Amino acid sequence: GENVEQHPSTLSVQEGDSAVIKCTYSDSASNYFPWYKQELGKGPQLIIDIRSNVGEKKDQRIAVTLNKTAKHFSLHITETQPEDSAVYFCAASRAYGGSQGNLIFGKGTKLSVKP
Amino acid sequence: DTGVSQDPRHKITKRGQNVTFRCDPISEHNRLYWYRQTLGQGPEFLTYFQNEAQLEKSRLLSDRFSAERPKGSFSTLEIQRTEQGDSAMYLCASSSGGVVLSGANVLTFGAGSRLTVL
Repeated sequence: GENVEQHPSTLSVQEGDSAVIKCTYSDSASNYFPWYKQELGKGPQLIIDIRSNVGEKKDQRIAVTLNKTAKHFSLHITETQPEDSAVYFCAASRAYGGSQGNLIFGKGTKLSVKP
Repeated sequence: DTGVSQDPRHKITKRGQNVTFRCDPISEHNRLYWYRQTLGQGPEFLTYFQNEAQLEKSRLLSDRFSAERPKGSFSTLEIQRTEQGDSAMYLCASSSGGVVLSGANVLTFGAGSRLTVL
């Protein structure tokens, strides 16, 4: 089955710096890769996703890149702000058939942005 | 609609008791998912429904767990004879279905129901 590895497990940056979180996956049939942000006491919130038919996607300060050959994808946050502090999860799934919602998550990265 | 609602938010129970969690998805979403999240881990898939049909179950869903979505709207997750290892956050998510590669079937999660088994 699919396995998603996420690094680093913790990341501390200064406000205004960039943060990069990397994930690798094992199932070459996976083609949907969302990123979720989870704040304390809340459920995961989708912040950006990428599908296998594109290699990069940007949304303001957040960007995600996908390398299907190497089976890895990354989250980039620029100009970090204290409110970006949270746990970030990457996930992967097969985007067809009955498994479209069966997301396999990484173990998370706790991002701390120091003012 | 304010999103996916879960109830109760917190439940403390003694080992051996039964507990039930409820999830109300976003009203127009026909797919509903249950995930479990333990401390320091990512969510793990348990099961999902398309309308009232339960289409997939994880090996994590032991015989003590049962999920229903009787009218294709809200869903319940019952855990019988709880064990300390059942302590976790139980997350519900919903989606509209469709083809992910065309932008559909994005999962929206609720805030979760935290279970503590003493």
